[in-house]
Amino acid sequence: DGGITQSPKYLFRKEGQNVTLSCEQNLNHDAMYWYRQDPGQGLRLIYYSQIVNDFQKGDIAEGYSVSREKKESFPLTVTSAQKNPTAFYLCATGWSLFHEQYFGPGTRLTVT
Amino acid sequence: EDKVVQSPLSLVVHEGDTVTLNCSYEVTNFRSLLWYKQEKKAPTFLFMLTSSGIEKKSGRLSSILDKKELSSILNITATQTGDSAIYLCASMNRDDKIIFGKGTRLHILP
Repeated sequence: DGGITQSPKYLFRKEGQNVTLSCEQNLNHDAMYWYRQDPGQGLRLIYYSQIVNDFQKGDIAEGYSVSREKKESFPLTVTSAQKNPTAFYLCATGWSLFHEQYFGPGTRLTVT
Repeated sequence: EDKVVQSPLSLVVHEGDTVTLNCSYEVTNFRSLLWYKQEKKAPTFLFMLTSSGIEKKSGRLSSILDKKELSSILNITATQTGDSAIYLCASMNRDDKIIFGKGTRLHILP
């Protein structure tokens, strides 16, 4: 069935470790996005990609990295340089950057 | 600095009431305004508004954009407990930048 898959749902890591969050879609969408959400705040854009092998920094890209080697996949790596990595991470896709976005179920990352 | 501001931050009403949620924006090269409903963490898309003064409707929900006032409203009539959620407003500009407001938390009492 079609949709956006983010795994795992919950992720725990020790401080200082890099961690990669998965986002896979079979909607054939060109655009993909990563957001983080913190309590009491709206969604903030980390990175986005308009097409395979291309991606752009969002508002809070520091401490994160992404790749877009395949249309279906847009993994996000939270590096040890990210000062406050504990958050809820949402992946979204869209037909293009000018179309509405559809969100995955999210991954809650806890770093201790 | 570009920003999107939503009001009120939270709202509690009784089932059957009508509610109006507000969103104002200050965005360079504004293109569109989007509304989302967020429940159980992942937002679902409601409306995209690009033209001023044209109302978009979906069932009991409707929304309109006022480019002169740099604002949008989301109306929900005959509210139901299932409408309880966080409603997010976001702006999209011509440089493909998307900015979200902090959301309005709506709670419908039975």
